[in-house]
Amino acid sequence: GQSLEQPSEVTAVEGAIVQINCTYQTSGFYGLSWYQQHDGGAPTFLSYNALDGLEETGRFSSFLSRSDSYGYLLLQELQMKDSASYFCAVRLNNNAGNMLTFGGGTRLMVKP
Amino acid sequence: EAQVTQNPRYLITVTGKKLTVTCSQNMNHEYMSWYRQDPGLGLRQIYYSMNVEVTDKGDVPEGYKVSRKEKRNFPLILESPSPNQTSLYFCASSLSPGGVYEQYFGPGTRLTVT
Repeated sequence: GQSLEQPSEVTAVEGAIVQINCTYQTSGFYGLSWYQQHDGGAPTFLSYNALDGLEETGRFSSFLSRSDSYGYLLLQELQMKDSASYFCAVRLNNNAGNMLTFGGGTRLMVKP
Repeated sequence: EAQVTQNPRYLITVTGKKLTVTCSQNMNHEYMSWYRQDPGLGLRQIYYSMNVEVTDKGDVPEGYKVSRKEKRNFPLILESPSPNQTSLYFCASSLSPGGVYEQYFGPGTRLTVT
């Protein structure tokens, strides 16, 4: 089986930096994705890491350590609009073509 | 505009009354999937499809059926809905089995079964 652990809630102030961690236990692993979901909305793709290291996309960066089964999403220069839920998800390396398994989500609250 | 559409967006029904939630994508994606989202549980995959006539179970398939007769459509069928299927449902499509190519999600269908 597989499991993903991420904090349920994180609070930060506007302009700050916040890191959302994700640890996973899987029987097979291909890569780690991050999705953002605003209240009432659909999840939207943020990033994907298949190899160790940091991937940067504007204010958002994502990191993966395969040896530690760990990754994080880093949000810089926080804005009020970043208040949302963030989900890590793993793609399993199996031949069945399974898509993604999601964590329970981290609710980020950005305060003025 | 590239998009995934779902209908209906909201549905209230009674136990045992068969229903279908439609999903359609206009991006010619091979991979489609259905998820349900419940508070604190994230998104859990119900069924997925790798191509026309190719479907398989996800993590929580009990009580659901799907079909993939055309590439663009992937309906979710609840033959006999029960209250524990009250949830928010998302359809998604992707070029690949998730990951490198992002999944595009539909707007969601909020289902209440009384």
